[in-house]
Amino acid sequence: QIQLVQSGPELKKPGESVKISCKASGYTFTDYAMHWVKQAPGKGLKWMGWINTYTGKPTYADDFKGRFVFSLEASASTANLQISNLKNEDTATYFCARGAGTLFDYWGQGVMVTVSS
Amino acid sequence: DIVMTQGALPNPVPSGESASITCRSSKSLVYKDGKTYLNWFLQRPGQSPQLLTYWTSTRASGVSERFSGSGSGTYFTLKISRVRAEDAGVYYCQQVREYPFTFGSGTKLEIK
Repeated sequence: QIQLVQSGPELKKPGESVKISCKASGYTFTDYAMHWVKQAPGKGLKWMGWINTYTGKPTYADDFKGRFVFSLEASASTANLQISNLKNEDTATYFCARGAGTLFDYWGQGVMVTVSS
Repeated sequence: DIVMTQGALPNPVPSGESASITCRSSKSLVYKDGKTYLNWFLQRPGQSPQLLTYWTSTRASGVSERFSGSGSGTYFTLKISRVRAEDAGVYYCQQVREYPFTFGSGTKLEIK
């Protein structure tokens, strides 16, 4: 069955970096895009952007340009999100979601990133 | 950016009744291919979002027929028939007509 399994929770200090992963199984990884979605505590969903898993080309929403990097380990069917120079407002749960065209049809379980001094 | 505005529900909704959630976009979601790019999701407490409908009214695989999406242009509705306890959570509409894809702020459904 199709699954997206994300890495575990992270506790970081301001200014540090974090890399979270999303491992896909049950389908051909490069046939579908991977989207990233942020959810701050008690808040709604915010689309961060997506990565073309065939070409590796990322597309970022404006609020996520600069400190955010989407990358791939295609041989391991894994998409990664790296956030550098962490700020308190980066505290959130980060979801990966498979993109079948414009359908976000399968989601990871989410990774809670806490930024606190 | 396209702004998505969701309406509220008169919570709690009695089990077995119907509930309708509205979603309005600041720009038409009709694309040049004729499709209307509006998704609906349900996020149950402590869980990841689940795709309910796409292209306004097409139910995702495995989704109950009790969920039906409708609308056109800039005004959309998700109707939940015969609500059950398992339908409780927050519902989000999302436009995927153009970048950046944007979500509504969410509509909470509580069941009595």
